[in-house]
Amino acid sequence: GAVVSQHPSWVICKSGTSVKIECRSLDFQATTMFWYRQFPKQSLMLMATSNEGSKATYEQGVEKDKFLINHASLTLSTLTVTSAHPEDSSFYICSAPSRAAGNTIYFGEGSWLTVV
Amino acid sequence: GESVGLHLPTLSVQEGDNSIINCAYSNSASDYFIWYKQESGKGPQFIIDIRSNMDKRQGQRVTVLLNKTVKHLSLQIAATQPGDSAVYFCAESLVQGAQKLVFGQGTRLTINP
Repeated sequence: GAVVSQHPSWVICKSGTSVKIECRSLDFQATTMFWYRQFPKQSLMLMATSNEGSKATYEQGVEKDKFLINHASLTLSTLTVTSAHPEDSSFYICSAPSRAAGNTIYFGEGSWLTVV
Repeated sequence: GESVGLHLPTLSVQEGDNSIINCAYSNSASDYFIWYKQESGKGPQFIIDIRSNMDKRQGQRVTVLLNKTVKHLSLQIAATQPGDSAVYFCAESLVQGAQKLVFGQGTRLTINP
């Protein structure tokens, strides 16, 4: 079964609104989680590293004010896409390393965001 | 900048044959490498990993080979099955677990009946 869960699996929102995507580690704690974005037929691009209890670390070119990341607990990280626009439509995926599994990094099932 | 790339964007094999998917990486400091399988509309699924102090690791029907001299990584799938159809990504990391992964461009594997 899944060890990292994302919610929602898919969401459609109107331009200008904000959308929150949750990433949960199941049965293990994760002080670090990672958020990726994937456009169709392309590879995964790391957006940011989510750190429990501290600010996220964003990759170059990723707007921190647009993609808000909150890692308030050891099992939950959230990504909020603020003032969403159609170009933000993408597949968003999170991952987390599991210490119990030798730090194997597991990925969530992803969240499809469509901005209309 | 540093990157991980793949030689072949698509690979088509006959069912029952062995598949070999290749990956080149450029960061000689990378210590940890992973192969993921991604089916359409789903998140990446862990297949197998290898540390830089190894040159081969075997799993169930899969083998990963690491050649640090030429910075090359390959995934071998034995007796390819229809369920193996997917996009395969290699990824590298400086340190296992705590560090970010850099993904290659992906190879689509299709199985011919």
